[in-house]
Amino acid sequence: QSVLTQPPSASGTPGQRVTISCSGSSSNIGSNYVYWYQQIPGTAPKLLIYRINQRPSGVPDRFSGSKSGTSASLAISGLRSEDEGDYYCVVWDDSLRGPVFGGGTKLTVL
Amino acid sequence: EVQLEESGGGLVKPGGSLRLSCAAAGFTFSHAWMNWVRQAPGKGLEWVGRIKSKSNGGTTDYAAPVKGRFTISRDDSNNTLFLQMNVLKIEDTAVYYCTTDGGYDYECHFDNWGQGTLVTVSS
Repeated sequence: QSVLTQPPSASGTPGQRVTISCSGSSSNIGSNYVYWYQQIPGTAPKLLIYRINQRPSGVPDRFSGSKSGTSASLAISGLRSEDEGDYYCVVWDDSLRGPVFGGGTKLTVL
Repeated sequence: EVQLEESGGGLVKPGGSLRLSCAAAGFTFSHAWMNWVRQAPGKGLEWVGRIKSKSNGGTTDYAAPVKGRFTISRDDSNNTLFLQMNVLKIEDTAVYYCTTDGGYDYECHFDNWGQGTLVTVSS
């Protein structure tokens, strides 16, 4: 069982807005920066959002992140078929003294 | 362009050892903090450990499941990262990725990833 809780699946139709949640605790999300990674099937993960809501160069502004208390969210607007894949939140945990990943959310574009 | 290429994966029996390598190019490896992250078949991502640059002490940190069995090291003269895995267990079966690190303590900035190498622990 992961320290960070994500819904196992999410879905939407092209053009829709989808959000993926990530729930943690005061020792991780409550006190450190949240990161999000995208993994398209058969490929290595890719950094999508860093420090809660910052996008690396090349990541479309359709992707955005937010945080409130001990929970974080990834929002994807204008959903596209190429967004299908797995999404992971990760954050440093002060108690475990290392990064902890959420279990991942499989996004399906219907 | 940053390039990371892992090698050394394969089939090993429980209790055995294996050493993974990650050849780096396209950036100043000696300045980089580096990580290993693994993914069991059909499962999610799990951080394995990290090594800081020598200028930051070259210190290592490990996840609890591998501490005492795995060792991360680096050869800055050959731009190579290593993961020595001892006393392997069936649950260590996974694709192992090496990643660069943004170089910030208490963060998870894995900005570049290799393609991964598969380690299978089975009798």
